[in-house]
Amino acid sequence: DTGVSQDPRHKITKRGQNVTFRCDPISEHNRLYWYRQTLGQGPEFLTYFQNEAQLEKSRLLSDRFSAERPKGSFSTLEIQRTEQGDSAMYLCASSSASGENEQFFGPGTRLTVL
Amino acid sequence: AQSVTQPDIHITVSEGASLELRCNYSYGATPYLFWYVQSPGQGLQLLLKYFSGDTLVQGIKGFEAEFKRSQSSFNLRKPSVHWSDAAEYFCAVGVLRSSTLTFGKGTMLLVSP
Repeated sequence: DTGVSQDPRHKITKRGQNVTFRCDPISEHNRLYWYRQTLGQGPEFLTYFQNEAQLEKSRLLSDRFSAERPKGSFSTLEIQRTEQGDSAMYLCASSSASGENEQFFGPGTRLTVL
Repeated sequence: AQSVTQPDIHITVSEGASLELRCNYSYGATPYLFWYVQSPGQGLQLLLKYFSGDTLVQGIKGFEAEFKRSQSSFNLRKPSVHWSDAAEYFCAVGVLRSSTLTFGKGTMLLVSP
């Protein structure tokens, strides 16, 4: 069990640029989640996949955000035309489909938009 | 919709003293309840979870939590705090047939010598 991994760990970009983050879940987990965490707040749900299907999206996920999980393994989260308000920690988690929703989190990607 | 309240933003405890972090949730049925810990710049580590059964659950690092349905609470406790416990603690609630977790805003634990 190598745990959930995320890449990159840190990303600094200029406003208006596009960024893409990658998440590799625990290998036997078929559920994958993206959360966003801003300073002083708990994580907030963005979206969730079961296998390759994106089953739920938060209203926080604006049109500039898109997530994919093309083969049901790793996932990418892309933010287009970044804004300073997008600066946050982006967390990925995975879980099995056991129904108890025990989610295991990766280390996160810290995005800073200048 | 479910919600979680962690009323204490910061708590300072002396090393060796006992600890209790408060968590209250709002949900109409029995929720799934979790406590996570986050060290600076790191992701979240699961400390313990409650799904059903015994309302006192044991977790890692000597932590325990008690589910009290009548008070809609799931407080985290530790009998003797170590300096390495200094971190931010998040309570979260999950519900049946939904795969998302709703987190509280967290409690920052500071440990004084």
